[in-house]
Amino acid sequence: DVKVTQSSRYLVKRTGEKVFLECVQDMDHENMFWYRQDPGLGLRLIYFSYDVKMKEKGDIPEGYSVSREKKERFSLILESASTNQTSMYLCASSPPGVRRSNQPQHFGDGTRLSIL
Amino acid sequence: KQEVTQIPAALSVPEGENLVLNCSFTDSAIYNLQWFRQDPGKGLTSLLLIQSSQREQTSGRLNASLDKSSGRSTLYIAASQPGDSATYLCAVEGYSTLTFGKGTMLLVSP
Repeated sequence: DVKVTQSSRYLVKRTGEKVFLECVQDMDHENMFWYRQDPGLGLRLIYFSYDVKMKEKGDIPEGYSVSREKKERFSLILESASTNQTSMYLCASSPPGVRRSNQPQHFGDGTRLSIL
Repeated sequence: KQEVTQIPAALSVPEGENLVLNCSFTDSAIYNLQWFRQDPGKGLTSLLLIQSSQREQTSGRLNASLDKSSGRSTLYIAASQPGDSATYLCAVEGYSTLTFGKGTMLLVSP
């Protein structure tokens, strides 16, 4: 079974801090994704990566950056946290085949981040 | 830009009922459509994936259909159970990524 593990279930940080959210998958998937989920707005894609050291912006990349130094790990970075970044953050991965693998994405359990 | 709409936003049914969740999308140029389940405070679990060339997929009591030309999909749940209570999300995969609907929150009461 595919396992996508997010390092924290709950996280509380202060405005202006640099925040790191970590995600690790154990299935050698090429593709990894970061989403945020907010009531009334649904899931929105922040960044994704098709390979090590590759990254592409999603729909809402402003205020975020990512790092993919190893295939199994995809990190989301909030450069200077703000209260409007309080949200549920979800990481996902999917098998290779660049884009059209017709395989479902596998999700972690999420990190509920609060910025005070 | 692709838009995905799910109707209804919430649904409450007694145990044992058969039910249908609806999903519509605006751009028919998709590679596949996926249905997910999300329990409160948890991540998403994949239920079914229908490739663009397929009309339906079945898994146990779940059946999903796809009409790409009209931009519609339905998720049919037979003989609903309290354990089916969750939010159900539809997503379409286009050129680069998934676009999600906002979900249908389902409550099945005993």
